[in-house]
Amino acid sequence: EPEVTQTPSHQVTQMGQEVILRCVPISNHLYFYWYRQILGQKVEFLVSFYNNEISEKSEIFDDQFSVERPDGSNFTLKIRSTKLEDSAMYFCASSGSGYEQYFGPGTRLTVT
Amino acid sequence: TQLLEQSPQFLSIQEGENLTVYCNSSSVFSSLQWYRQEPGEGPVLLVTVVTGGEVKKLKRLTFQFGDARKDSSLHITAAQPGDTGLYLCAGDRGSTLGRLYFGRGTQLTVWP
Repeated sequence: EPEVTQTPSHQVTQMGQEVILRCVPISNHLYFYWYRQILGQKVEFLVSFYNNEISEKSEIFDDQFSVERPDGSNFTLKIRSTKLEDSAMYFCASSGSGYEQYFGPGTRLTVT
Repeated sequence: TQLLEQSPQFLSIQEGENLTVYCNSSSVFSSLQWYRQEPGEGPVLLVTVVTGGEVKKLKRLTFQFGDARKDSSLHITAAQPGDTGLYLCAGDRGSTLGRLYFGRGTQLTVWP
């Protein structure tokens, strides 16, 4: 069964460093998303992406964040200068319909 | 203020019992999705409900979307230890690409 994959599974970085989180969405899906979940808290929307453009972003997705689909299979989230409060699980999701979203296993980001 | 309130937050029952968990809001949703999440993993989609009053069944799980599309319930019949997990509801308020708003979840434990 097709699934969303994410790499790395765990990333440790120092405050102020740049990180790139990678996702391979389900192959025939056209809608892509990033969410995050701080430990013990609910899952929160960051950004949605379609046709090489951001469709919607939340207040969390400030100028330090960017997304890109560099080729036909990858979808990336870049955090330019990480802060301690960026520590969280980051989930990529994809959808073929805009209704049902399928989530990847997540990348645990730890900022020290 | 939570857009989606899930109750109860924790539920601990014996194998074979029935249970219902709730997802309530004062807002209308164009669709609502139920996910199950294991520790350290991404949410796994169980079902999407779209029409007010809609009922969907997935083996021993029954999902209902309220007539006014503001609430939903998940009923499990004859719970089994394998049903143990965190159940999340997530609603789409009709944005272009279906940005999801998540509840905090119900942690279900089923004892043998």
